[in-house]
Amino acid sequence: EVQLVESGGGLVQPGGSLRLSCAASGFTFRNYWMHWVRQAPGKGLVWVSRINGDGSSTSYADSVKGRFTISRDNAKNTLYLQMNSLRAEDTAVYYCARENIAAAGDYWGQGTLVTVSS
Amino acid sequence: QSALTQPPSASGSPGQSVTISCTGTSSDVGGYNYVSWYQQHPGKAPKLMIYEVSKRPSGVPDRFSGSKSGNTASLTVSGLQAEDEADYYCSSYAGSNNFFGTGTKVTVL
Repeated sequence: EVQLVESGGGLVQPGGSLRLSCAASGFTFRNYWMHWVRQAPGKGLVWVSRINGDGSSTSYADSVKGRFTISRDNAKNTLYLQMNSLRAEDTAVYYCARENIAAAGDYWGQGTLVTVSS
Repeated sequence: QSALTQPPSASGSPGQSVTISCTGTSSDVGGYNYVSWYQQHPGKAPKLMIYEVSKRPSGVPDRFSGSKSGNTASLTVSGLQAEDEADYYCSSYAGSNNFFGTGTKVTVL
């Protein structure tokens, strides 16, 4: 059974940093692109970042470019999102998702809440 | 960069059909056949309902169908059921990015 479990969320002050993790199981992790998607309270889904199977190719939304870094450890079957210079507008539930062969998220984690506030 | 445009709401009675549009540009929806649709119930993670414009993942009822014309994709839910009441989001691959739609709340009357 495919499982994605996010962790690392919490309360952080503006300008602070946080690293999210997404532990994957039930599939050959290194064979899949992975994504981070966020959802501010009461708002819609927003794509954040993606990474290919071996970690050599990454992309970011303009709103997080230069502040967030996506990475993965295929030996640990874990996806990461390093978030620096956090702003209030980064407050959201952050989901990790596995990408199928057609650029769609076929499996999602349950999400982890990040709150940026003083 | 901006989100794909969806109507904020749609509704129908049980058994009826509802269609949700998703309008982008030639750089996203119109440029690739990588449009997907997600269903999200309150407090839950999104669930993939349609991928590659019109394909259904295993386990998704055939009441859900997708199509695309030009820069606009559509999701149709036929034979509406109470459990279809949820938020629906489209998404499109766009080369170096992915975009989600603004979301549509579907209400079953």
